[in-house]
Amino acid sequence: QKEVEQNSGPLSVPEGAIASLNCTYSDRGSQSFFWYRQYSGKSPELIMSIYSNGDKEDGRFTAQLNKASQYVSLLIRDSQPSDSATYLCAVNTGNQFYFGTGTSLTVIP
Amino acid sequence: DGGITQSPKYLFRKEGQNVTLSCEQNLNHDAMYWYRQDPGQGLRLIYYSQIVNDFQKGDIAEGYSVSREKKESFPLTVTSAQKNPTAFYLCASSFGFGGNTGELFFGEGSRLTVL
Repeated sequence: QKEVEQNSGPLSVPEGAIASLNCTYSDRGSQSFFWYRQYSGKSPELIMSIYSNGDKEDGRFTAQLNKASQYVSLLIRDSQPSDSATYLCAVNTGNQFYFGTGTSLTVIP
Repeated sequence: DGGITQSPKYLFRKEGQNVTLSCEQNLNHDAMYWYRQDPGQGLRLIYYSQIVNDFQKGDIAEGYSVSREKKESFPLTVTSAQKNPTAFYLCASSFGFGGNTGELFFGEGSRLTVL
């Protein structure tokens, strides 16, 4: 079983819609959780971090963490074509960061 | 501006050659990391360093070597022993390590191609 699992997609949403990205992790001792956006050919860019159960909002982005279910999600409201990218979920277990393989998102104008 | 600088951005290597990828950070971060990214496989950890003059192997350290002589610098050497070195290499840093890691920040990456 992989440490972090994501649906690879591709996920397509129309412009203005809500995009929902999901991630599960295997280590119950994981302490911190991150979402990165990666454009093709570029390095990952941190967009959200979350450390405790519940929701964390930053502009159009909302991260949700449920430690009991070992589940992290990212909601992107009012999706824009510029949001088209691969989104990486990352988990820090206290010893190491583990990354999912990413979900490819395409926002259709 | 604070950040992580990797060089070169693109590098071509002939088989049998060693190459060194540079990584410099001015974020005053203690921990530094090297990841390798291949299509469809996500990021895999090569080496990491928590403090100067100390570093640890990650999941795929074979064929790679590192040094940490200065807090700001963490160069990666891809040796001829690495059988499939063509990949996108990412250097990263974090404020701390373990339970006080904080967020992980990446450099722009170095793309290595073996001819």
